[in-house]
Amino acid sequence: SSELTQDPAVSVALGQTVRITCQGDSLRSYYASWYQQKPGQAPVLVIYGKNNRPSGIPDRFSGSSSGNTASLTITGAQAEDEADYYCNSRDSSGNHRVFGTGTKVTVL
Amino acid sequence: QVQLVQSGAEVKKPGASVKVSCKASGYTFTSYYMHWVRQAPGQGLEWMGIINPSGGSTSYAQKFQGRVTMTRDTSTSTVYMELSSLRSEDTAVYYCASNWNDVLGYWGQGTLVTVSS
Repeated sequence: SSELTQDPAVSVALGQTVRITCQGDSLRSYYASWYQQKPGQAPVLVIYGKNNRPSGIPDRFSGSSSGNTASLTITGAQAEDEADYYCNSRDSSGNHRVFGTGTKVTVL
Repeated sequence: QVQLVQSGAEVKKPGASVKVSCKASGYTFTSYYMHWVRQAPGQGLEWMGIINPSGGSTSYAQKFQGRVTMTRDTSTSTVYMELSSLRSEDTAVYYCASNWNDVLGYWGQGTLVTVSS
């Protein structure tokens, strides 16, 4: 399968830790990248590769992977982290890309 | 700094075509592939395809094969995405995104395409 599955929604108390997961067969072969999208805005890359953050992304964002599951962890969630998060990776053929179904993160 | 500036919103009738542009600046245009992604209202992100601005080669998601054409103009550092035989389900925001470090590193601001009779 070339699908990437995410939980539709998660919530986290301010300052606490939340983990968002992304499952798919292709993740056994390829890393996931993660994108944050706030309402009315374009997505922003937050994690790529094994666990790399682009310049300007806070270090409370981290990534990991095991088997067919990739994870994005926000340690010490802030109000501004409330957003939709999408994973992305190559599909099983390696030639195309596929997005996860998306997770809405609510910071309480 | 890297900038991707897309063309403005479009309203099209069913059956028509739309061509969205994405002008790149701040880097060597031919060095990075360009993705196209769309997002229907209230829905998730959907990858459409990719173009190599250097040679013009393309690869499209199966869903869009036969309906999408991605091209580039190296003289103006612009890539284009044309979608034909539009239907109401094609109403979406369309994004270009540069392939940086093999991921979608930089994104355009998005172009809303509305398909309505």
